[in-house]
Amino acid sequence: NAGVTQTPKFRVLKTGQSMTLLCAQDMNHEYMYWYRQDPGMGLRLIHYSVGEGTTAKGEVPDGYNVSRLKKQNFLLGLESAAPSQTSVYFCASSFQGPDTGELFFGEGSRLTVL
Amino acid sequence: SQQGEEDPQALSIQEGENATMNCSYKTSINNLQWYRQNSGRGLVHLILIRSNEREKHSGRLRVTLDTSKKSSSLLITASRAADTASYFCATDSVLSSNTGKLIFGQGTTLQVKP
Repeated sequence: NAGVTQTPKFRVLKTGQSMTLLCAQDMNHEYMYWYRQDPGMGLRLIHYSVGEGTTAKGEVPDGYNVSRLKKQNFLLGLESAAPSQTSVYFCASSFQGPDTGELFFGEGSRLTVL
Repeated sequence: SQQGEEDPQALSIQEGENATMNCSYKTSINNLQWYRQNSGRGLVHLILIRSNEREKHSGRLRVTLDTSKKSSSLLITASRAADTASYFCATDSVLSSNTGKLIFGQGTTLQVKP
C-alpha cells in the first residue's frame, strides 16, 4: 500500500518550458488536492478535485492546469513555466472531505524554474 | 489569503520540556486539524478537532479549540528530539463545505534539543 505517490520528485525547468506532475493514490479516495509550499507561506491550494472528471480552482490557480481522468490520478500541468513557480508541490487525497477525516500527503515534488 | 496564522514562528526547547503552539483563524470552521512535517518530507496528520469540541488528546498531544476566539493550541508534552519538525494547523471553513478544502497556516518550526 503506497498511499500517495508523486512523480517526479525533482525537476529543473527553463522559463517557458512545460511539464506535468503526476499524483497517484491507491486508497480509493474521492478527493484530491494540489498544494504548493513556499518559505514563510505555508501551503497554498492550487487546484482540487472532488471526484473523477471534476476539477476546481483553489487559492492560487493561475499558471496551472489539472486533470482527473481516472479516480486514482490527479495531474498538475505547467504550460509555460515561470521562475515564480519555483516551489515544492504537494499532492494530497482524502476519503470524502476533511470533515470526515484527514488528508494524506505525498512526499513532494521540488521544482526549480530558471 | 491565509486562513490560519501560527505563533510562534519558531520554538526551541530542551528535551523533556513542553511545547505549545498557537493557531488563529478568520472564518467559522467545521473542524481544525494539526499536521506535522519533518524536513524534506510530506505532511502527516496528527489530530482533528471538530467545532463542537473544546479539547482533544492523542498520546502526548493535547489540542484545544476556542471558537469564540477563533483560536487553537497544540501542546506536546515531554518533548523528544524526534519531535523536531514543523507543525501546521489547517482549517475546514464552513464556507468550503463539501469541497474538502483545507487552508493551512504558515507553520511553527519546533526544535527540541537533546
